Amino acid sequence: AQSVTQPDIHITVSEGASLELRCNYSYGATPYLFWYVQSPGQGLQLLLKYFSGDTLVQGIKGFEAEFKRSQSSFNLRKPSVHWSDAAEYFCVVGAYNTDKLIFGTGTRLQVFP
Amino acid sequence: EPEVTQTPSHQVTQMGQEVILRCVPISNHLYFYWYRQILGQKVEFLVSFYNNEISEKSEIFDDQFSVERPDGSNFTLKIRSTKLEDSAMYFCASSPSTGPQETQYFGPGTRLLVL
Repeated sequence: AQSVTQPDIHITVSEGASLELRCNYSYGATPYLFWYVQSPGQGLQLLLKYFSGDTLVQGIKGFEAEFKRSQSSFNLRKPSVHWSDAAEYFCVVGAYNTDKLIFGTGTRLQVFP
Repeated sequence: EPEVTQTPSHQVTQMGQEVILRCVPISNHLYFYWYRQILGQKVEFLVSFYNNEISEKSEIFDDQFSVERPDGSNFTLKIRSTKLEDSAMYFCASSPSTGPQETQYFGPGTRLLVL
């Protein structure tokens, strides 16, 4: 069965620092991978997604993620974090034969000025 | 930019009472979903809905739950007799079509507290 692991529950970075949020998945075939972000009082917003092709995916708000099949990972990165990036980030897996999305536990990002 | 809306944002109810959570999906979307997140746990899929029928449901979605599209704009989740363990954040989502490549657009959620 598909599963998603986000090893970091909480990360704190300084504004302007680089960021990498980790995600590992378990899936028998090529997965459909997403990163969603949830800011306080907001819905879950899609940052980026990967299905096939170029393993480095660009998303909104300056985020990118790299699919590494050998490591079963899909880590989210941003070169320079802004205070407005403080939020909860979810790595999500979809599969071809189901409607449901499978969520990781989320990583809460705190940004210090 | 169109977005999914949900009402109410918070609801408190007594155990055993019925609750209806409401969602207005994005207007040209055809597929609708409910997820929930119990505090401290993962977001979990409950049900998907298309063409006035449930297309998929999880084991969580038992006979206490039902979904309906009562008119052209609303999509509701009803919990017939709430239990303490139903306390959670409930998210509605919609997508223009189905398939794992489709983006599901989420609402801000309804926080349900069962006392």
